[in-house]
Amino acid sequence: KNEVEQSPQNLTAQEGEFITINCSYSVGISALHWLQQHPGGGIVSLFMLSSGKKKHGRLIATINIQEKHSSLHITASHPRDSAVYICAPKRGGATNKLIFGTGTLLAVQP
Amino acid sequence: DVKVTQSSRYLVKRTGEKVFLECVQDMDHENMFWYRQDPGLGLRLIYFSYDVKMKEKGDIPEGYSVSREKKERFSLILESASTNQTSMYLCASNTAAGVGYEQYFGPGTRLTVT
Repeated sequence: KNEVEQSPQNLTAQEGEFITINCSYSVGISALHWLQQHPGGGIVSLFMLSSGKKKHGRLIATINIQEKHSSLHITASHPRDSAVYICAPKRGGATNKLIFGTGTLLAVQP
Repeated sequence: DVKVTQSSRYLVKRTGEKVFLECVQDMDHENMFWYRQDPGLGLRLIYFSYDVKMKEKGDIPEGYSVSREKKERFSLILESASTNQTSMYLCASNTAAGVGYEQYFGPGTRLTVT
């Protein structure tokens, strides 16, 4: 069983829709990253959070450490949001290692 | 802005060749990482380095070695390339002292071994 599970694996939405991507993990962590990867492009870090909620523009990330769950929300989705979104928890302890989900492929249609 | 650059975006090599992938970061980061990304498997850590000349194996180090002679540069070496090393290779860096340990990624090198 993977240590990090994302759902859904694929998501198609209409422009303007509210989108939620979920991440569950089974190990102890100290923080969690949400990453974005456009087709053929590099990876960009969207958020790093260790508790509560963070907001950046139309993106909102939440985490519940006790429940080992995080969500990424996109409000008023736009075709330029089409990308792979990757959940990457950071293991607890003195390590810089991340563990990665397999990603959610989001396609936002105009 | 942090910049992480990789020497090639696309690379085609033959089986048995020695392959060097170079990564350079310009933010004086202590930590540097090499990942490979394959469909359905996500990103997997090959090696990371936490200081010059220091390295630690990741989850899939077999068939790879690394070199970090200068703080800004981290090289991934495939001693004898094989077809199962065809993949996207991503380099990343971060600071050990920074808030959040956010990792900054390079654009990736798509390596094809024929």
